[in-house]
Amino acid sequence: KNEVEQSPQNLTAQEGEFITINCSYSVGISALHWLQQHPGGGIVSLFMLSSGKKKHGRLIATINIQEKHSSLHITASHPRDSAVYICAVAEYGNKLVFGAGTILRVKS
Amino acid sequence: NAGVTQTPKFQVLKTGQSMTLQCAQDMNHEYMSWYRQDPGMGLRLIHYSVGAGITDQGEVPNGYNVSRSTTEDFPLRLLSAAPSQTSVYFCASSSTGLAEAFFGQGTRLTVV
Repeated sequence: KNEVEQSPQNLTAQEGEFITINCSYSVGISALHWLQQHPGGGIVSLFMLSSGKKKHGRLIATINIQEKHSSLHITASHPRDSAVYICAVAEYGNKLVFGAGTILRVKS
Repeated sequence: NAGVTQTPKFQVLKTGQSMTLQCAQDMNHEYMSWYRQDPGMGLRLIHYSVGAGITDQGEVPNGYNVSRSTTEDFPLRLLSAAPSQTSVYFCASSSTGLAEAFFGQGTRLTVV
């Protein structure tokens, strides 16, 4: 069993829809990262969480440490949000263990 | 700001050749890491460093060597390339063990 599980693996949405991507992990962690990888391949950090909730523009990330679960929400989705969203957990220091990613496509 | 710079962006090697993937950061970050990304598997940690002179193995270290002689640079050496090392390689850095990670643009390596 993978230490980090993401769902769904693929997601297609209509522009304007509210999107949720889930991440569950099985190990004790010091922090959880949400990353975005665009079709060109570059990886950008969206959030780093160790508790609670963070918001940046239309993106919201939450984490429940007791349930070992995190969600990434995108409000009012737009075609430019189309990308791969990756959850990664830091078990020690910043040694990251990654989920397989969620491929998001937002249609106009 | 340059951030994390990886070179080269693309490379084709023949089996048995050696090469070095370069990674440099200009943010004075102590933590640097190398990952490889393969289809359907997510990124996996190859080697890791928490500061100059200190390195550690990750999940998939075999066939790779690293050193950290300066804070800025963290090169990854392929000792004798194999087709199984065909992958996209990412270097990342962060200021501490509990900080945002910054990634390089990646190196796409093909071993034939």
